[in-house]
Amino acid sequence: QKEVEQNSGPLSVPEGAIASLNCTYSDRGSQSFFWYRQYSGKSPELIMFIYSNGDKEDGRFTAQLNKASQYVSLLIRDSQPSDSATYLCAVVKGNQFYFGTGTSLTVIP
Amino acid sequence: DGGITQSPKYLFRKEGQNVTLSCEQNLNHDAMYWYRQDPGQGLRLIYYSQIVNDFQKGDIAEGYSVSREKKESFPLTVTSAQKNPTAFYLCASSPWQGAKDGYTFGSGTRLTVV
Repeated sequence: QKEVEQNSGPLSVPEGAIASLNCTYSDRGSQSFFWYRQYSGKSPELIMFIYSNGDKEDGRFTAQLNKASQYVSLLIRDSQPSDSATYLCAVVKGNQFYFGTGTSLTVIP
Repeated sequence: DGGITQSPKYLFRKEGQNVTLSCEQNLNHDAMYWYRQDPGQGLRLIYYSQIVNDFQKGDIAEGYSVSREKKESFPLTVTSAQKNPTAFYLCASSPWQGAKDGYTFGSGTRLTVV
């Protein structure tokens, strides 16, 4: 069983819509959760991290964590074509990072 | 500006040749990591180092070697024993292993076998 699972997509949304990206993790002992954005041919860049149950908002991005159900999600409001990228979920368990395979998002103008 | 510098950006390797990928950081981070990324497979950990002169194998260390002689530098050598080295290689660092701040990534090196 993989530590982190993501739907590879592709996910397509129209410009201005809300994009919802989901991630599940296998170990209840996981402590910290991250979302990275990766443009084609580029390195990942950190968008958000969340440690506690509930929502965390930063501009157009909201991370949601539900430890009981072992999932973490990323909502992107007012999606823009520039949001088109692959989004990687990462989980810290102990002192190790585990990355999902990423979800490809396309925002259609 | 603080950050991680990877070089070269593109690298071509002939069959049977060893090549070394450079990774330098000026963030004063203790922990450094090397990942390999193939299409559809996400990031796979090759090696990591928590302190100078110490490093540990990751999930796919075979055919690779590293050194950590200085805090700032963590070069990766792709040896001839690595039979399928064509991939995108990412170096990352964090204040310490598992730090809650997450990783900072370099810009990557794309290695191609010719």
